[in-house]
Amino acid sequence: ETGVTQTPRHLVMGMTNKKSLKCEQHLGHNAMYWYKQSAKKPLELMFVYNFKEQTENNSVPSRFSPECPNSSHLFLHLHTLQPEDSALYLCASSPGPQTATYEQYFGPGTRLTVT
Amino acid sequence: AQKITQTQPGMFVQEKEAVTLDCTYDTSDQSYGLFWYKQPSSGEMIFLIYQGSYDEQNATEGRYSLNFQKARKSANLVISASQLGDSAMYFCAMREGRGDYKLSFGAGTTVTVRA
Repeated sequence: ETGVTQTPRHLVMGMTNKKSLKCEQHLGHNAMYWYKQSAKKPLELMFVYNFKEQTENNSVPSRFSPECPNSSHLFLHLHTLQPEDSALYLCASSPGPQTATYEQYFGPGTRLTVT
Repeated sequence: AQKITQTQPGMFVQEKEAVTLDCTYDTSDQSYGLFWYKQPSSGEMIFLIYQGSYDEQNATEGRYSLNFQKARKSANLVISASQLGDSAMYFCAMREGRGDYKLSFGAGTTVTVRA
C-alpha cells in the first residue's frame, strides 16, 4: 500500500449506531488530519494530530471522537450521529511543521450517510 | 471573513486549450503558502502545486502553473493543454504563518473539459 488509505470507503449508519473510520498513511509523515466535506461547503478541518498528540480540535461535537495510536494510524469514532453529519470524511497527512511547505496528502475519503 | 475566495463555481474548457482558475486570499501574515488541489469524482484530493509567499518565481509543475500576484493577493492556477482527465473540482488553499500547518480551503471550482 502506498500513500494514504481510508476504510471503509462507504458507510451507512443509523443514528444510534457506533462505527469507526480508519486512516493509515505509508509516507512516514508526522502529522495527520481529519476533514469533513459537505455538499456546497469548503473543507472543514476537524482534528489535527502531530506526533500522536492532538493539537487541534476545531469545535467538533463530542459525537466525533478521534484516536491516534501512532503516527501512521488515525481513527474517527462515531456515535449517535445526526443526519447533517452525512458527508465525505477525508484523512490527510503531512511531514509536519518542521518542513518548509507542509503540503498535505489526502486519502480517498469515506462517504458517510446517516439515516 | 473568508480567507480563500474562488469566485468561479464552474467552468467549461475545450480539450487542448488553457484554463485559468481564480483564487484570491486574505492574510496579514508575511509568511504563508498557497496550494492547489484537484478532486476528481472519486473523492481523493490530489496535491498539484505550491507557492510560498517569499518565492520570487511563479511555481510550475508540468502543465500546471501558478500565477502569483502578491500585491493583489491573487494565486490563480493555469492548466495548459487541457485533457479530459482534468475534469474535476479544483481547490485553492492557504497555510498562514511559520510553524502552522493548518490549511484554509476555498469553495472550489468545477472544471469540465469538452472533447
